[in-house]
Amino acid sequence: AQKITQTQPGMFVQEKEAVTLDCTYDTSDQSYGLFWYKQPSSGEMIFLIYQGSYDEQNATEGRYSLNFQKARKSANLVISASQLGDSAMYFCAMTSYAGGTSYGKLTFGQGTILTVHP
Amino acid sequence: DSGVTQTPKHLITATGQRVTLRCSPRSGDLSVYWYQQSLDQGLQFLIQYYNGEERAKGNILERFSAQQFPDLHSELNLSSLELGDSALYFCASSVAIGGQYNEQFFGPGTRLTVL
Repeated sequence: AQKITQTQPGMFVQEKEAVTLDCTYDTSDQSYGLFWYKQPSSGEMIFLIYQGSYDEQNATEGRYSLNFQKARKSANLVISASQLGDSAMYFCAMTSYAGGTSYGKLTFGQGTILTVHP
Repeated sequence: DSGVTQTPKHLITATGQRVTLRCSPRSGDLSVYWYQQSLDQGLQFLIQYYNGEERAKGNILERFSAQQFPDLHSELNLSSLELGDSALYFCASSVAIGGQYNEQFFGPGTRLTVL
């Protein structure tokens, strides 16, 4: 079974500063993928970044980077130069690829509400 | 805009009723996933279809059913509705059935309110 844990119910950051949102995961599979999604107050789920378990380098997408520490089973999201529009709920999610049944269903954490102050 | 469309955006109905939620995946995507987001359960996977066939099931109630049609759009049918079924229902799509780099893109969701 897969499990995602986000221990920060809420985080606050000053505009233009960097912030790290924590995510730890648990799986017995060797092949898996880690995702971060942003959910603004409007409700839609916006894909931000992906990290595969075999990727040797941390994933980056613009101001988003994923700090992947495989041995610690953590996949923290780092947002650089925070903007007011970054205020939203952030979800960490994972999918495992267990042998031939490599189906893509996502398991989500409980989310972290990020508030960016001007 | 993710390219995934869902209708309707909002749905208000009464207990015991039946509703159908519709999803059109991104062009070229063969996999469709349904998720439910509620305050008490969080985001939960319901079911996955790939190219018209059911491929994976999560905690989907027996009162719920889904299908994917030849044009790849999908419908989620919810029947004998209860108050606890009130939630935001998301559809997501991806190119492949699974595997690495198979990012899922979500639709805007259908907010279901059962009164």
